[in-house]
Amino acid sequence: GQNIDQPTEMTATEGAIVQINCTYQTSGFNGLFWYQQHAGEAPTFLSYNVLDGLEEKGRFSSFLSRSKGYSYLLLKELQMKDSASYLCAVRDGDYQLIWGAGTKLIIKP
Amino acid sequence: IAGITQAPTSQILAAGRRMTLRCTQDMRHNAMYWYRQDLGLGLRLIHYSNTAGTTGKGEVPDGYSVSRANTDDFPLTLASAVPSQTSVYFCASSDTLAGDYNEQFFGPGTRLTVL
Repeated sequence: GQNIDQPTEMTATEGAIVQINCTYQTSGFNGLFWYQQHAGEAPTFLSYNVLDGLEEKGRFSSFLSRSKGYSYLLLKELQMKDSASYLCAVRDGDYQLIWGAGTKLIIKP
Repeated sequence: IAGITQAPTSQILAAGRRMTLRCTQDMRHNAMYWYRQDLGLGLRLIHYSNTAGTTGKGEVPDGYSVSRANTDDFPLTLASAVPSQTSVYFCASSDTLAGDYNEQFFGPGTRLTVL
C-alpha cells in the first residue's frame, strides 16, 4: 500500500536547529515535496527532491535517500514564525501527490 | 485574480442539501485537484483533472463530483451532503511541464460544516 510517515508533533527552541523526518512506501516515485502550512492557511511549497542528496534553500534544507525511502527537512536558526505544520508528499505517478499527515512544529522562545 | 481563488470561504449546510464549491485559477495550469483536510489525516485527494475536459477519481471520491469545462475553473459538487463531509476543502493546481517541479499551488480553502 501507499504510506507516508511523519512525527505528529515536535518542539524546538528559537534559534536552534530541527530535523523533521519523513519515510515513505509508495508504488512509484517521481519526486518528494515539503510544504509548510500555518494554522488556518493553505499549504505553501518549500522544497522538492527527486535525486538523492541535499537541497539547500536559505535556512531550509531537504534531504532524500530513495534507496531508504527517507527524507528530512532541516530548519536552521529557528524563528517564531516557523511554528507551523510541515507536510511531506510523494509524487508516485504523473502529477498526483500522496500526502503524509504532517508534523506540527512548536517553537518556544 | 492572482493565483487560485475559492468560494465560499466557509459554509454551514443542512444534511441532504446540494452544494457546489467553486475554484478558479489564473495561472493557466493544466492540472487541478480537490483535497479535503481533516485533523490527523492530512490531505486526501478527492478528484483531479490533468487537463481541461478530463477528470479522475482520487482516494476519497464517493459523494463528490467534478467537471472541467475549461482551464480555469474546477467546481466540486456534493450532491447530497452528509455530516462526514464536514471538512476543510482545498483546491490546487499545477503545471505539467516535463522536467519541471510542477509543484502544486493551493487556494485559501473552504471550511464546510454539514449538520
